[in-house]
Amino acid sequence: EVQLVDSGGDLVQPGRSLRLSCTASGFTFGDFAMAWFRQAPGEGLGWVGVIGNRVYGGTTEYAASVKGRFTISRDDSQTTAYLQMNSLKTEDTAMYYCSRVRYDSRGYLEASDIWGQGTMVTVSS
Amino acid sequence: DIQMTQSPSTLSASAGDRVTITCRASHNIGNWLAWYQKKPGKAPKSLIYRASSLESGVPSRFSGSGSGTEFTLTISSLQPDDFATYYCQHFTGYPLTFGGGTKVEI
Repeated sequence: EVQLVDSGGDLVQPGRSLRLSCTASGFTFGDFAMAWFRQAPGEGLGWVGVIGNRVYGGTTEYAASVKGRFTISRDDSQTTAYLQMNSLKTEDTAMYYCSRVRYDSRGYLEASDIWGQGTMVTVSS
Repeated sequence: DIQMTQSPSTLSASAGDRVTITCRASHNIGNWLAWYQKKPGKAPKSLIYRASSLESGVPSRFSGSGSGTEFTLTISSLQPDDFATYYCQHFTGYPLTFGGGTKVEI
């Protein structure tokens, strides 16, 4: 079964760090980019960032609101993507989801097609 | 950055209705648009990619159309399981922004 499992969410104080994990199974992890999204309580979906696969350089891109504080990485041998979140702010409180992002035949990202179940991050003193 | 605007923000409908949701992009995004369904407490579900291609396993009552800056998601006959919030997302350059969502309610 194709599956993503998000984990690592917790209650943390402002300014602290947290690392989320997204563990994949049922597909060739290295064929896909991996992205992180979030949904704050009562809000819509927000894009956090993405990491490409090794073929496309494993490059990362981030939303302006998290750039410089969050880092996405991946370990293809463990079929896991990570979201390292530093200098957390109260406004980072959200449910965080990872997703598998598919490339088209020319190497352009075209859609997220599989999603994790989400992991809750609460930033509060 | 490309801004994505959905309308309406809320839509009241009944089972069996034909429902259309609009997504507008601030710049030409070709057909680089995806649609997702989101229910409370559940992971998002992918519905449409490249504006009009149906993801595997998605019922044929869902369809997408449009190109450039205006796109639509249509549900031909609303089923009880379809009451949810729907989001569009572009895939042309970063950030890969979402629309604000359209809640389809009874």
